[in-house]
Amino acid sequence: NAGVTQTPKFRILKIGQSMTLQCAQDMNHNYMYWYRQDPGMGLKLIYYSVGAGITDKGEVPNGYNVSRSTTEDFPLRLELAAPSQTSVYFCATQGANEQYFGPGTRLTVT
Amino acid sequence: AQSVSQHNHHVILSEAASLELGCNYSYGGTVNLFWYVQYPGQHLQLLLKYFSGDPLVKGIKGFEAEFIKSKFSFNLRKPSVQWSDTAEYFCAVNANSNYQLIWGAGTKLIIKP
Repeated sequence: NAGVTQTPKFRILKIGQSMTLQCAQDMNHNYMYWYRQDPGMGLKLIYYSVGAGITDKGEVPNGYNVSRSTTEDFPLRLELAAPSQTSVYFCATQGANEQYFGPGTRLTVT
Repeated sequence: AQSVSQHNHHVILSEAASLELGCNYSYGGTVNLFWYVQYPGQHLQLLLKYFSGDPLVKGIKGFEAEFIKSKFSFNLRKPSVQWSDTAEYFCAVNANSNYQLIWGAGTKLIIKP
């Protein structure tokens, strides 16, 4: 099992560009999450999903959108990239007793 | 709003020293508590968790944590650290039915060989 996979690993965007961060899981978990991690700030929840077709905002959703058409995939969309979105993005799923994380995407917006 | 505080952002220790990393949370109800670890270049992974029962929980690699309800604390301990414990450690709290975690800012631990 691959667990939680994320692509790309690294990306540099110019201000105003858009992109989609991909997240896929093969554990058949219903709950999925997108976090951003900024230095000294811990992880902040951007969006989450409790199952296919159902998504909801987390703590810091502005500037992002998500969709969940299947159990396996939970892409995160940035429409108009801003320097404030420079961060490391983690996707996670909820298992029986813990969350499982992907390797992260390091995004720089210049 | 719920919050999680980790007292030290950076800790530097020598091998064989004892470790205690502080974690306090603000929530008066029932909580589930976690410590996650991120080794250099690796995924975040679960170190240990507390749901109920014995407030002293043991995790992987010789780590343990004690839940003290009266102090709203869940401190992480290890009696003798190794160089391989160099990592960033995150405390997290769950207090709702959507499994959402509130995270501390993290503590970067460096172990000098």
